[in-house]
Amino acid sequence: DAKTTQPTSMDCAEGRAANLPCNHSTISGNEYVYWYRQIHSQGPQYIIHGLKNNETNEMASLIITEDRKSSTLILPHATLRDTAVYYCIVRANSGYSTLTFGKGTMLLVSP
Amino acid sequence: EAQVTQNPRYLITVTGKKLTVTCSQNMNHEYMSWYRQDPGLGLRQIYYSMNVEVTDKGDVPEGYKVSRKEKRNFPLILESPSPNQTSLYFCASSSTWLGIETQYFGPGTRLLVL
Repeated sequence: DAKTTQPTSMDCAEGRAANLPCNHSTISGNEYVYWYRQIHSQGPQYIIHGLKNNETNEMASLIITEDRKSSTLILPHATLRDTAVYYCIVRANSGYSTLTFGKGTMLLVSP
Repeated sequence: EAQVTQNPRYLITVTGKKLTVTCSQNMNHEYMSWYRQDPGLGLRQIYYSMNVEVTDKGDVPEGYKVSRKEKRNFPLILESPSPNQTSLYFCASSSTWLGIETQYFGPGTRLLVL
């Protein structure tokens, strides 16, 4: 699976959009971009995934660049409860496998 | 409500005293797995199971056992716990659709081995 690079930490004001970048320059054609988050000491939570088109669900939006070498997770109106570590994971759609969590980005949402 | 449950949530034990951490999911998932999370080391997979009676080692299986007698349950067994197994443990189950896998994690079990 391709390696990802994320900033160590980011800050965001409550109510504003949080834009979390992820670099995955070695991504291959059959690899998807997944985002999970982990609120302190809780189990990781799936947020969204995409291949090459932008995706949106009730939690977030995922913007993938045309060359697929980077992506951005957008939380449109961040709340204090969105404070968490966000993990960008790239893996092929080859069925069940281990998720490799890197260090992720610690997002701190402040009042 | 779709969920993965683990019990106990917190456990303090002593070296060598056998313990079992239970994991159960109500989503009829075939794939289940156990992870441990340690500061600076991230999440590491211990064991996984592709289906009933099918289990295999993950990245850090030493000192652990698992069983999968029923689809919904996947207990983690520490036959003789040691202090280096002090950690935060997560059980997960996975669904797939057209090759896309989504993992659902339990709330975690914090284990302290004295």
